[in-house]
Amino acid sequence: SQTIHQWPATLVQPVGSPLSLECTVEGTSNPNLYWYRQAAGRGLQLLFYSVGIGQISSEVPQNLSASRPQDRQFILSSKKLLLSDSGFYLCAWSVGPLRAGIPGELFFGEGSRLTVL
Amino acid sequence: AQSVAQPEDQVNVAEGNPLTVKCTYSVSGNPYLFWYVQYPNRGLQFLLKYITGDNLVKGSYGFEAEFNKSQTSFHLKKPSALVSDSALYFCAVRLPFYNQGGKLIFGQGTELSVKP
Repeated sequence: SQTIHQWPATLVQPVGSPLSLECTVEGTSNPNLYWYRQAAGRGLQLLFYSVGIGQISSEVPQNLSASRPQDRQFILSSKKLLLSDSGFYLCAWSVGPLRAGIPGELFFGEGSRLTVL
Repeated sequence: AQSVAQPEDQVNVAEGNPLTVKCTYSVSGNPYLFWYVQYPNRGLQFLLKYITGDNLVKGSYGFEAEFNKSQTSFHLKKPSALVSDSALYFCAVRLPFYNQGGKLIFGQGTELSVKP
């Protein structure tokens, strides 16, 4: 069966410090991968998505970046955190487009809570 | 533009009563609709989806949803609510793969509170 792991689960960082959140998926190949941010416990905003290794699409301009160095690894980074980067970050995967004619559900990790002080 | 609306920020229900969490959508083309549930400080759990076929879709934990094309709605329902159903519920529409990688667009969420 497929599983998705995110770490760290919680993180407290000072303003201006770097960030690295990691997400890995097991039990599948060539997944679509997504990073979402949830602010104030409600709305979910898509930050990045990737349909393959090294292929990253950004949804909103910000000081965050994403990378996909391996097929099932998705990393969210920042060189210098801002206060506004605080939030709950969720990684998700779905079956890739080559193996699915109709889009199915996304599967989410347990999230990483980032507090920037 | 593709969008999803959840008109109620909060829904309060007594345990044992039926519950409905409302969702309306606006999409061009075929709608691929989903419901997710989120417990505090947890990730989202998939409940059910409508892709095609029967308008009444059954999902996890006794939940079901009815797709209504004429009203562009996809309301989540359960015949008898449990206290453990208390959580944040999200309706979502998924774009086709050729459109922005098949991303999910979420509603703002509805907080369901079930009282004993």
